[in-house]
Amino acid sequence: KAGVTQTPRYLIKTRGQQVTLSCSPISGHRSVSWYQQTPGQGLQFLFEYFSETQRNKGNFPGRFSGRQFSNSRSEMNVSTLELGDSALYLCASSLATGQSETQYFGPGTRLLVL
Amino acid sequence: DAKTTQPNSMESNEEEPVHLPCNHSTISGTDYIHWYRQLPSQGPEYVIHGLTSNVNNRMASLAIAEDRKSSTLILHRATLRDAAVYYCILRDFRDDKIIFGKGTRLHILP
Repeated sequence: KAGVTQTPRYLIKTRGQQVTLSCSPISGHRSVSWYQQTPGQGLQFLFEYFSETQRNKGNFPGRFSGRQFSNSRSEMNVSTLELGDSALYLCASSLATGQSETQYFGPGTRLLVL
Repeated sequence: DAKTTQPNSMESNEEEPVHLPCNHSTISGTDYIHWYRQLPSQGPEYVIHGLTSNVNNRMASLAIAEDRKSSTLILHRATLRDAAVYYCILRDFRDDKIIFGKGTRLHILP
């Protein structure tokens, strides 16, 4: 089975622009979560989607949004980019939701905002 | 959110067992204990999880204290490939999102 894939792998944007990142979960997985990783803040939870509905949301401003499609693929969007949005964005998928579910992470998209 | 406490870093020699501790004194009766690790330049990967009993899988063992206020991840025979940041995480049935702490950076000495 193919793992979680994320596109693009690397991205350079300038302040004020917007960006859309894509995540394709493992086949059959219906839950997708997004995380931001920076050297200063570590790994921070952004949001989780299950069956096209947002289940959980972390403490990020409204500039960060996401959605999930009927085939479980997910996108996240960041509008009005700031320098501090430079980070590794990780996507993880799991079969279902729940505290015992294992999450499988993709390789991430590295975003650099200039 | 439930909290865990881990040492910032640990060192171990190659081919020796490694015991990575985690304290979670505020754990509730329904919290699952999960361990993930992140190798350099990769996304995190699942290692093991448990609720009350000790657990074993091909990667590691998880020893959970009887009062569940602490747990230990055991790598039976460390290799250089095990050098990574190890995260101990509690997941609550009311809010099961994964909250990562700082983790323990494990260095393996050849």
